[in-house]
Amino acid sequence: KQEVTQIPAALSVPEGENLVLNCSFTDSAIYNLQWFRQDPGKGLTSLLLIQSSQREQTSGRLNASLDKSSGRSTLYIAASQPGDSATYLCAVRGASGTYKYIFGTGTRLKVLA
Amino acid sequence: GAVVSQHPSWVICKSGTSVKIECRSLDFQATTMFWYRQFPKQSLMLMATSNEGSKATYEQGVEKDKFLINHASLTLSTLTVTSAHPEDSSFYICSAAIRDGNQPQHFGDGTRLSIL
Repeated sequence: KQEVTQIPAALSVPEGENLVLNCSFTDSAIYNLQWFRQDPGKGLTSLLLIQSSQREQTSGRLNASLDKSSGRSTLYIAASQPGDSATYLCAVRGASGTYKYIFGTGTRLKVLA
Repeated sequence: GAVVSQHPSWVICKSGTSVKIECRSLDFQATTMFWYRQFPKQSLMLMATSNEGSKATYEQGVEKDKFLINHASLTLSTLTVTSAHPEDSSFYICSAAIRDGNQPQHFGDGTRLSIL
């Protein structure tokens, strides 16, 4: 059974810092991995999707890497801003043909002005 | 980009009431929709997978008769919480996916359900 864990659970940093959020999964047989952002009381916004054959994806100040064999992904946020404050979730989709995603526990990020 | 609309965004009702939540894909056809439940400060837990024109597949521990799911068209899925009780209070989120698994899932803004 796939389990997804995110470390740290919460993070508070001053504005301008570069950040690394971690996601680990127990079953390396994945189809893809997706990073999401969730603002309080809101739904999810997709940030980056990495296919199992890819090593990384970039969008603006965000960079996500994937090491499938070790069951890890990282989300790198460059030059953090107060507007980046949110909960970040990673989710993995299994390789067995299902479209189902298993979500991680999330990292609550607060960027201080 | 792909937009998923979820309605209502917030509902308060009395215990014993049935509540229907709608999930619509506005600019694409969603062959598969997913329903999640999220408790405060916790992650999303998948409740069921809904495929257009067929019965939903429920996750272990989710009561089929309690949470009725209908996916009658390629743009609409509904979740009905039947005879809701306070323990059903939660944040419910839907997502939609095109059959092509290379496309990301698109999420609605969620429905906050409070049962008194």
